[in-house]
Amino acid sequence: KQEVTQIPAALSVPEGENLVLNCSFTDSAIYNLQWFRQDPGKGLTSLLLIQSSQREQTSGRLNASLDKSSGRSTLYIAASQPGDSATYLCAVPNGRGSNYKLTFGKGTLLTVNP
Amino acid sequence: DAGVIQSPRHEVTEMGQEVTLRCKPISGHNSLFWYRQTMMRGLELLIYFNNNVPIDDSGMPEDRFSAKMPNASFSTLKIQPSEPRDSAVYFCASSFELAGGNEQFFGPGTRLTVL
Repeated sequence: KQEVTQIPAALSVPEGENLVLNCSFTDSAIYNLQWFRQDPGKGLTSLLLIQSSQREQTSGRLNASLDKSSGRSTLYIAASQPGDSATYLCAVPNGRGSNYKLTFGKGTLLTVNP
Repeated sequence: DAGVIQSPRHEVTEMGQEVTLRCKPISGHNSLFWYRQTMMRGLELLIYFNNNVPIDDSGMPEDRFSAKMPNASFSTLKIQPSEPRDSAVYFCASSFELAGGNEQFFGPGTRLTVL
């Protein structure tokens, strides 16, 4: 059974800092890994999707890396802003041939202080 | 692109009542997912449709839950009868499925409260 762990559970940083969020998963037979952000009371917004053949993806100030063999991914946020405050979730398909059934981590609650 | 549309955004009902949640996926997407989010269990996949056909409903908690997708642009999730433990946020997501995986796009969710 795929299990996804996100560390830390919560993070508070001053504006302008670079930060790293961590995600680990137990079954490395995955097609891809997806990072989302969720604002309070809102739905999930897809940030980045990394295919299993890729090592990283970049979008603006966000960079996500994937080390499939070790079951790890990191989300790097450069020059953090108060608007980045949200819960960040990583999700992977359940592995073993599934490319749709996502298992989510419990998320990292990020607070960026002005 | 309007994204995934869900209605209603909030629903408050009494135990025993029927509840119907609605979803319009992104145009052109061929896969649709219903999820439930609670503090205790996080996000759970309830059911997955591909080309309007239910492929995996193993996450549907019990027979009180049912989902339909009569066409590519509409899906419903029905709970009958509802119970207080069904209170949660229900998300619909859609994607265009590729062989190597897919990126799922979520709607804003329906916050259901069963009294």
